[in-house]
Amino acid sequence: DAKTTQPNSMESNEEEPVHLPCNHSTISGTDYIHWYRQLPSQGPEYVIHGLTSNVNNRMASLAIAEDRKSSTLILHRATLRDAAVYYCILKNDYKLSFGAGTTVTVRA
Amino acid sequence: EAEVAQSPRYKITEKSQAVAFWCDPISGHATLYWYRQILGQGPELLVQFQDESVVDDSQLPKDRFSAERLKGVDSTLKIQPAELGDSAMYLCASSPGGQETQYFGPGTRLLVL
Repeated sequence: DAKTTQPNSMESNEEEPVHLPCNHSTISGTDYIHWYRQLPSQGPEYVIHGLTSNVNNRMASLAIAEDRKSSTLILHRATLRDAAVYYCILKNDYKLSFGAGTTVTVRA
Repeated sequence: EAEVAQSPRYKITEKSQAVAFWCDPISGHATLYWYRQILGQGPELLVQFQDESVVDDSQLPKDRFSAERLKGVDSTLKIQPAELGDSAMYLCASSPGGQETQYFGPGTRLLVL
């Protein structure tokens, strides 16, 4: 499985943007970049995914570097409910291979 | 909004006992996954079903773990005998097909004493 590297933790203030980096220098041409998050005491939930182009949905935006070796998940206005572990995952088949993720703390 | 159901939510058992977890996927989802998540780590895939057939059980400790999805709908994961190192969160997920978004249940937290 291609690996991703994420910071262990990040802090943000409520209503400010959060930029979560992910490095994936060994990404292959068929790997999609997926982001899931896991709120405390819950199962992971899908956030967003992309292949080459930047993507937006109601939860977040995904910015993908031109060489695809890194990407950034952007939460535009963090709320207390966004405090979670965020996982960046490369996926080209059915398998989700989770790393340790980034723990995001949101300060009120 | 449809959800993946799991029961029980919490289970405490003693070493060497048998334990079972149940999962009911979102209706119509053909693919079902069982994951194990040790505290402080990301989930790890144990087994994947496509309908009633096992697609991948390469990470399932088959000497003590078993999983079934007899009618291609709900599924049961069993551990016999349980060991102290099995203490973890057991997560079930489902998707319409193998390459699509996975939807996770709330998990079953197992503590083996």
